[in-house]
This record gives sequence, C-alpha cells and structure tokens, in this order.
Amino acid sequence: AQSVTQPDIHITVSEGASLELRCNYSYGATPYLFWYVQSPGQGLQLLLKYFSGDTLVQGIKGFEAEFKRSQSSFNLRKPSVHWSDAAEYFCAVGARDTGRRALTFGSGTRLQVQP
Amino acid sequence: EPEVTQTPSHQVTQMGQEVILRCVPISNHLYFYWYRQILGQKVEFLVSFYNNEISEKSEIFDDQFSVERPDGSNFTLKIRSTKLEDSAMYFCASRGENNEQFFGPGTRLTVL
Repeated sequence: AQSVTQPDIHITVSEGASLELRCNYSYGATPYLFWYVQSPGQGLQLLLKYFSGDTLVQGIKGFEAEFKRSQSSFNLRKPSVHWSDAAEYFCAVGARDTGRRALTFGSGTRLQVQP
Repeated sequence: EPEVTQTPSHQVTQMGQEVILRCVPISNHLYFYWYRQILGQKVEFLVSFYNNEISEKSEIFDDQFSVERPDGSNFTLKIRSTKLEDSAMYFCASRGENNEQFFGPGTRLTVL
C-alpha cells in the first residue's frame, strides 16, 4: 500500500527566508506526486505535480519541488517566503495504474510565517 | 477558470439523520472522488466514481455511505444515518485525462 510521510508537523520561518517542506513516500514504483495547499477554512489548491520527465517541477506562487527516486522524496521549496504563504501543505501520491487513482495524503505541514 | 463547487458549505444535523452532500464537478471531467478530513487530521479517500459506478472505495466507505450521479452535472454523497464521528470536512474532487484532481471548497458536516 502506498503511504506518505511529512515529518514536520509545524514549521515557522521568517518572511523572506527560504523554505523546504519534506515529503517521503512509499510506493512500489514511481507514483504521481502532488503538493496541495490549504488555507484556513478553504479547500485544497494544487501547487504542483510530478508525472514524469524533469525531476525539478515548477508550480504556482513561486514553489518548486524536486523528485528524488533514490530517496523516495518529493520536497517542496520556495526561495523567499511571503506572509501569504502561511497555510497547511499536503503532499500526496497517486498510483499510475488506471484502476486506482485515489490520492493518498500525508498528515500535512503547517507553515507559519513571522514578519 | 472551471472549478468544482460544493453545497452546502456547512451542514449541521442530528445523529441518526440522513444527509446529502452535493458537488458539481468540472464539466468535461469523467472521474469523481469524495474525500474527508476530520478536524486536525489528514485528508482521507472515501470513494471514486467513473462511468456511473464506484471504481474504488476505502474502508471508511461502509454501507452507511452511497454516491450517485443523478444527472449530467451533480455528484452526491449520502450518509444514511449519521454518527458523531462523521463530523468532518468533506471534499469532492474531479479529474480529467491529465491526472490532476481538482478539489472543491468542501462541506463542513457537524453531527450533534
């Protein structure tokens, strides 16, 4: 069964500082990989995705993520955090076989941004 | 930009009552999903739906739950007899051919 681990429950960074949120997955092959962001009381917005090809993917709002097969990781990064980035971030994996495309989510990392 | 919509945004019900949560997926999408998120916990998969039938369901999706696509636009989740532990945010999602799932804003269900 696939699983996702986000080891950091809560991270605080200063505005303008760089950010890296960790995500490790367990899956028999290379899954589809996603990062979603959830602002308080809001739904889930897709930040970026990895399906194949270039292992460094760019997303919205200046975020990027790097897929590292050897480490089973898909860490999310941003070079300079803005106060509006404060939210909860979820890493998710989806199977590649056509019969099962439900997403498995990690527990999330809550990002707090200090002025 | 097309989006997934859900109604109501907040539903309060008494334990044992039936609730129906409604979703309008993105119009050209063919795959539909329900997920739930209990307060403070991770998002959990409930069920997926394709070609007018359930294609996959999780252990959470027991006989108290059902899904339906009653017409060409709506996708509903029914909980037949709600329990306190059904209180959660319920998210609908739809997916096109590009494997991206787009989520609605959610319905917060409170069971008293």
